[in-house]
Amino acid sequence: RKEVEQDPGPFNVPEGATVAFNCTYSNSASQSFFWYRQDCRKEPKLLMSVYSSGNEDGRFTAQLNRASQYISLLIRDSKLSDSATYLCVVSPSGGYNKLIFGAGTRLAVHP
Amino acid sequence: DAGVIQSPRHEVTEMGQEVTLRCKPISGHDYLFWYRQTMMRGLELLIYFNNNVPIDDSGMPEDRFSAKMPNASFSTLKIQPSEPRDSAVYFCASSLGQQNTGELFFGEGSRLTVL
Repeated sequence: RKEVEQDPGPFNVPEGATVAFNCTYSNSASQSFFWYRQDCRKEPKLLMSVYSSGNEDGRFTAQLNRASQYISLLIRDSKLSDSATYLCVVSPSGGYNKLIFGAGTRLAVHP
Repeated sequence: DAGVIQSPRHEVTEMGQEVTLRCKPISGHDYLFWYRQTMMRGLELLIYFNNNVPIDDSGMPEDRFSAKMPNASFSTLKIQPSEPRDSAVYFCASSLGQQNTGELFFGEGSRLTVL
């Protein structure tokens, strides 16, 4: 079983739609969680951290369910510029520095 | 401030040849990571260093792969001999460990094609 699993998509949505991505992780001792964004043929970049209580950054909301070992990312009012691959990232116990990336979920927002 | 710098950006080589990928991390960052990305396997951590010392190389696929960090501003990933299945994008990333918030700063990657 992979350490971090995501639905690969693609998710094809119209502008203005709300879309949600899910991710599960296998190591129950994992301590830190993140979403990264990767544009086509570019490097990954940090989108946001995921906190236990859930957190929001503008149109983006991240949630964590430790009991189910499940992380989610909600994007409201999708923009064309949101088209990218979203990578779920988990740090096993031991700090932030060893990050395990999921394979990513591809989002395509169309006019 | 300059980001993580990788070279070469693209490399095409023949099976059996030696490949050396280079990375200059962000000045002041004390962690350096090498990742490999393929369509089939996604982004895999190969090895990471802290203060130039290898901490975890469990992701290095086999003895054909080696990585060094002779000083705080330079690291290499070497493949010898290369094989077609090594074709991938190799990313170097760095971070500031003590204040790390989970943000790795990636270079633009080195796209390797082994024929």
